[in-house]
Formats: sequence, C-alpha cells, structure tokens
Amino acid sequence: NAGVTQTPKFRVLKTGQSMTLLCAQDMNHEYMYWYRQDPGMGLRLIHYSVGEGTTAKGEVPDGYNVSRLKKQNFLLGLESAAPSQTSVYFCASSYIRSTEAFFGQGTRLTVV
Amino acid sequence: AQKVTQAQTEISVVEKEDVTLDCVYETRDTTYYLFWYKQPPSGELVFLIRRNSFDEQNEISGRYSWNFQKSTSSFNFTITASQVVDSAVYFCALTGGSTPLVFGKGTRLSVIA
Repeated sequence: NAGVTQTPKFRVLKTGQSMTLLCAQDMNHEYMYWYRQDPGMGLRLIHYSVGEGTTAKGEVPDGYNVSRLKKQNFLLGLESAAPSQTSVYFCASSYIRSTEAFFGQGTRLTVV
Repeated sequence: AQKVTQAQTEISVVEKEDVTLDCVYETRDTTYYLFWYKQPPSGELVFLIRRNSFDEQNEISGRYSWNFQKSTSSFNFTITASQVVDSAVYFCALTGGSTPLVFGKGTRLSVIA
C-alpha cells in the first residue's frame, strides 16, 4: 500500500519555466491538499479538492493551478516559476474532512 | 476564518524533562476537529492525534498526553520524560465546517541528551 506518492522528489527550475507536480493516492480518499512549507511559516495551504473534478483556493494560491481529473490524482502546476516559489511542497489526502490527513514525502523545488 | 497559533517557535529541553507544546485556535464553527502532527528531521509528516469539538476528554498515549479546553480554545500537547527521539517539529492543525485543514507555524522541539 503506497499511500500518498509525490513526483518528483527534487527539482530545480529556472525562472519562468513551468512544471507540474503529481500527487497520487491509493486510499480512495475524497479530499486532497497541496501545501508549501517554508522556514518559520509552517504549512500553508495552496489549493485543495473535496472530490473528483473539484478544486478550491487555499491561503496562498497565486502563481499555482491545480486539477483533479481523477479521484486518485491531484496535480499542482506552476505556469511561470519565480524564486519566491522555492519551497518544499507536500501533498496530502484524507477520507473526509474530519479524518486525519496522510502526507506524501514532499517535493523540494528550487527556482533559480 | 480559522486560525491556529503556536506561540512557541523553538523549545529546548534536557532529556527526561517534561515539556508542553501550546496550541491556541480560532474558529466560528461549532463542530471542528483538531490534530497534532510530528515532523522528524527526516521530513515526513506523522499523524499523532485527532480530537473533535464535542469530546473534551484528555487523552494519554504512553508518554504523550493532550489537554483540550474549549473554554480557552486550546489543545496543548505534553511529552513526559522526553527523549532524544522526540526531537522534531510539531504542528497543530484545525478543520471544520467549510474550511479545510489549516496548520499552525509549528514548534521545533530539541531534546538534548
């Protein structure tokens, strides 16, 4: 049972490049989340989804887009990367809102 | 809006000391859920506990205990007889109503041998 898997684990981008982070879960969870973790800032919610085909903005959505075409996958896109998007990105999923979230291993993204 | 405040940025204790990590929350929801997660130096996020707003019973799990007080909007976490392996960043989190899971900024705990 893989749980929550994030791809890739590391990436270096040049300013202005685009990329997509993939999150896959095999637990049939309805809710999926994307967070970014920066020193001293904790985990900040970028976007989330409450089910297949739905997405919603979190605290820090600017510069990111998401899609949830399949229940098991939640994609996070950066259309034009900026150095301010250098961070560790975590994906998480939960069965419903009130149950515990399971996290992926994180993606360390550096934008130069 | 929902908010979680962990006022302690960093705490350092000597092994075997007891330590309490504070968590204060704000919410307008009558039904909500509180969580604690641990992030060890390896970086993964590990679920520790979940508590719903209707259950104010304190919980103990081995050396860990949690004190939930609705009157003060707090959900504090105590580690008894701390060990070096407890060194980590600890996050408190909240969800409820139509608001998704939001986290505090975390408390970095260092346990010194």
